[in-house]
Amino acid sequence: QKEVEQNSGPLSVPEGAIASLNCTYSDRGSQSFFWYRQYSGKSPELIMSIYSNGDKEDGRFTAQLNKASQYVSLLIRDSQPSDSATYLCAVQTGANNLFFGTGTRLTVIP
Amino acid sequence: GAVVSQHPSWVICKSGTSVKIECRSLDFQATTMFWYRQFPKQSLMLMATSNEGSKATYEQGVEKDKFLINHASLTLSTLTVTSAHPEDSSFYICSARLTGGFSPLHFGNGTRLTVT
Repeated sequence: QKEVEQNSGPLSVPEGAIASLNCTYSDRGSQSFFWYRQYSGKSPELIMSIYSNGDKEDGRFTAQLNKASQYVSLLIRDSQPSDSATYLCAVQTGANNLFFGTGTRLTVIP
Repeated sequence: GAVVSQHPSWVICKSGTSVKIECRSLDFQATTMFWYRQFPKQSLMLMATSNEGSKATYEQGVEKDKFLINHASLTLSTLTVTSAHPEDSSFYICSARLTGGFSPLHFGNGTRLTVT
């Protein structure tokens, strides 16, 4: 079983809709959770970090964490074509143990 | 703004030559930096953890004699791909944490290496 699992997609949503990206992880002791956005040919860019159960909002982005169910999600409201990218979920279990999912490719259709 | 600077952004080299990639932390000291590699349409794979003033820690399957890491100062780590071959062509990305422990990684812009 992989440490971090994501649906590879592609996920297509129309412009203005809500995009929902999901991630599950295997280690119950995981403590830090991150979402990165990666445009094609570019390096990952941090979007959100979340450390405790519940929702965390930052602009159009909302991260949701449920440690009991071992999933973390990212919602993108009012999706824009510029949001089209691969979204990487990353989970940290120890000081230097950071595991990345394979990423979900999102396409926002104008 | 960027917190980690990586250079060069891209490099093309001939098979058998060596290539050095630099990673600098900007305005903060990074005792630990991380080197990742990413092949097309695949996720990030950690290659090694670079430790200032000591030897790097390599992940299983990564040849330490081929991928030389030097972390001689608190703001600079270098990765040298020695005797590069076409199969080493990849996207190499370094990263560091602004603060310790469980804070997020910030990535450099990456280096696209093409070995001909």
